[in-house]
Amino acid sequence: EIVLTQSPATLSLSPGERATLSCRASQSVSSYLVWYQQKPGQAPRLLIYGASNRATGIPARFSGSGSGTDFTLTISSLEPEDFAVYYCQQRSDWPLTFGGGTKVEIK
Amino acid sequence: QVQLVQSGAEVKKPGASMKVSCKASGYSFTSYGFGWVRQAPGQGLEWMGWISGYNGKTKYTQNFQGRVTMTTDISTSTVYMELRSLRSDDTAVYYCARARSGELSVLDHWGQGTLVTVSS
Repeated sequence: EIVLTQSPATLSLSPGERATLSCRASQSVSSYLVWYQQKPGQAPRLLIYGASNRATGIPARFSGSGSGTDFTLTISSLEPEDFAVYYCQQRSDWPLTFGGGTKVEIK
Repeated sequence: QVQLVQSGAEVKKPGASMKVSCKASGYSFTSYGFGWVRQAPGQGLEWMGWISGYNGKTKYTQNFQGRVTMTTDISTSTVYMELRSLRSDDTAVYYCARARSGELSVLDHWGQGTLVTVSS
């Protein structure tokens, strides 16, 4: 199965700063990479699909890039509600797999 | 609006079975599939499998093959996930999510989650 490795595990930033999250796949997933946001006690929420397409209602400060094996989720200027855990997921091959997550915490 | 409402929390003994329901509303049930994902306490997300809302076709991950059964009831727009022979490490929050297309799908709407605790 395809292994997704997210880094860093934790990112400590202040509101207004830029966040850059990485997701690396053990083999090419083309552009079949998805990002989700999860806040404590809540279900995950779809952020980005197709590596770079924002889901409905997702603010423009969230952007995704990459293809093949290396992907990035960027939050251009952190808002208080953005502090959460972010997961990448590949849907290139069965079984779908998730990365281990990156926690974005307030510095 | 799209809503997925799951059944309530359960406590089960080792060796027992669990069955979680997920009632969909706000869209055409048969036009989408469903994925099931679980999350152990303090851990990440684990994909369990997929079921078609159209014809009930299923695909399970190897970790759960033989222990899980996913079904649908089109008349009530409800999908079910049954997990048997429960162990303590099955303690987790179980999520259903709408799958946009086939088994390799984006999960675009999620249920609120169902906590299942397995303990003697």
